[in-house]
Amino acid sequence: EAQVTQNPRYLITVTGKKLTVTCSQNMNHEYMSWYRQDPGLGLRQIYYSMNVEVTDKGDVPEGYKVSRKEKRNFPLILESPSPNQTSLYFCASSFLSRAGGANVLTFGAGSRLTVL
Amino acid sequence: KQEVTQIPAALSVPEGENLVLNCSFTDSAIYNLQWFRQDPGKGLTSLLLIQSSQREQTSGRLNASLDKSSGRSTLYIAASQPGDSATYLCAVIGKGIYNQGGKLIFGQGTELSVKP
Repeated sequence: EAQVTQNPRYLITVTGKKLTVTCSQNMNHEYMSWYRQDPGLGLRQIYYSMNVEVTDKGDVPEGYKVSRKEKRNFPLILESPSPNQTSLYFCASSFLSRAGGANVLTFGAGSRLTVL
Repeated sequence: KQEVTQIPAALSVPEGENLVLNCSFTDSAIYNLQWFRQDPGKGLTSLLLIQSSQREQTSGRLNASLDKSSGRSTLYIAASQPGDSATYLCAVIGKGIYNQGGKLIFGQGTELSVKP
């Protein structure tokens, strides 16, 4: 089944304890991206990757790191999590269109992170 | 900076009505515009994608239009059903630093309720 898989789905952690949220897709998509969703603020892009080793900041990259060493994986790293990073996180992927833009996006089920 | 606005924020209609959801954006330099559906506590499902060169796309009871020059898109839902109840989000894809379309900006969404 074609899908985007995020892990963990739920996590409670403490301030300062490094964590990684993994994202993997089995559709050979070039484009992958991360978002956070907060009440009243909606969905905001954190980082995106056009292909292996090609990443760029979205609207809210502060406090996050990413890497794209393999086409199928795009982990989101929180080096020193803080309570304001408590949120619902989504990963998404797509092929690139002929014009070079992200195409129809497939989203993961989400990862709910709580930082105490 | 690109801004995306969706009106109305919430909409309640009786079953069977045709309805229109609106999305406006401030920067017309977009690669494409996508409409998504999000059910409570779930991830996003792509409904329609309109490339910047297109004027509309149709899928079943859904029709999305795009007027890039005026910065507007509409999602038309025909013969609404209770199962259409969800939050509908639009997102525009614009250029990033690699001159490729990877930056996604979401609207705040329209919460639709279709009453039996």
